[in-house]
Amino acid sequence: QKEVEQNSGPLSVPEGAIASLNCTYSDRGSQSFFWYRQYSGKSPELIMFIYSNGDKEDGRFTAQLNKASQYVSLLIRDSQPSDSATYLCAVNGGSNYKLTFGKGTLLTVNP
Amino acid sequence: DTAVSQTPKYLVTQMGNDKSIKCEQNLGHDTMYWYKQDSKKFLKIMFSYNNKELIINETVPNRFSPKSPDKAHLNLHINSLELGDSAVYFCASRNTNYGYTFGSGTRLTVV
Repeated sequence: QKEVEQNSGPLSVPEGAIASLNCTYSDRGSQSFFWYRQYSGKSPELIMFIYSNGDKEDGRFTAQLNKASQYVSLLIRDSQPSDSATYLCAVNGGSNYKLTFGKGTLLTVNP
Repeated sequence: DTAVSQTPKYLVTQMGNDKSIKCEQNLGHDTMYWYKQDSKKFLKIMFSYNNKELIINETVPNRFSPKSPDKAHLNLHINSLELGDSAVYFCASRNTNYGYTFGSGTRLTVV
C-alpha cells in the first residue's frame, strides 16, 4: 500500500514566524509532489508542486524535496492568520494519473 | 466561469435512497476524478476517467457507479445509501502539471 504520511497537528505558530510542514512517502517511484491548502468547508487548492530534488520558492512558500529520504516539506515564511488551514501533501506515483494524499496537517497562525 | 463545478452542493437523504452527483469541467482536461473526504479530512480516490474511459477503480462498494458521457462530465450515482456514505465528495480534473483542480464539493448526509 503506497502511503503518504503527515503529522496531523495541530501546528500552532505565532504571526510572522516560519511554519514548517513535513511529509514522507513510501513509493520510491514517485515522480511529482504537491502541496494543497484547504480552508474549513472549502475545496483543496494547489499552492506548490515540485519534481526535482532541492528547493522551489514561490513568494512566502518554499517546497523542499529529498527523494533519497523520501521526504518533502513546505515552509511558510512570515506566517499570517490567513494561512490557518489544513495543508495536504500529495504524491504522484509511478502512474501519472493518481495522486495519493496524506491526512493533512492543521496549521493555526496566532495573531 | 467556474472551472470544475459540482451539483448539488449539499445533499441530505434517507438511508436506502439512490442519489446522483454531477460534475462538469470547462478546462479541456482529459482526466477527471471522484474523491471522498471523510470527517477526518482524509481524501481518498474512488474513480478516474480519462477521455470517457475508466482508468482507476479503487476498492469502492459496487453501490457506487461513475459515468462519463464525455470528457467534460463525470457523474457519480450511489444506490442504497448507507450512513457510512456520509462525507464530502470532490470531483477533480487533472492539470498538465499532473496536479488537480477540485470542484467545490458535495456534502452528502445520510440520515
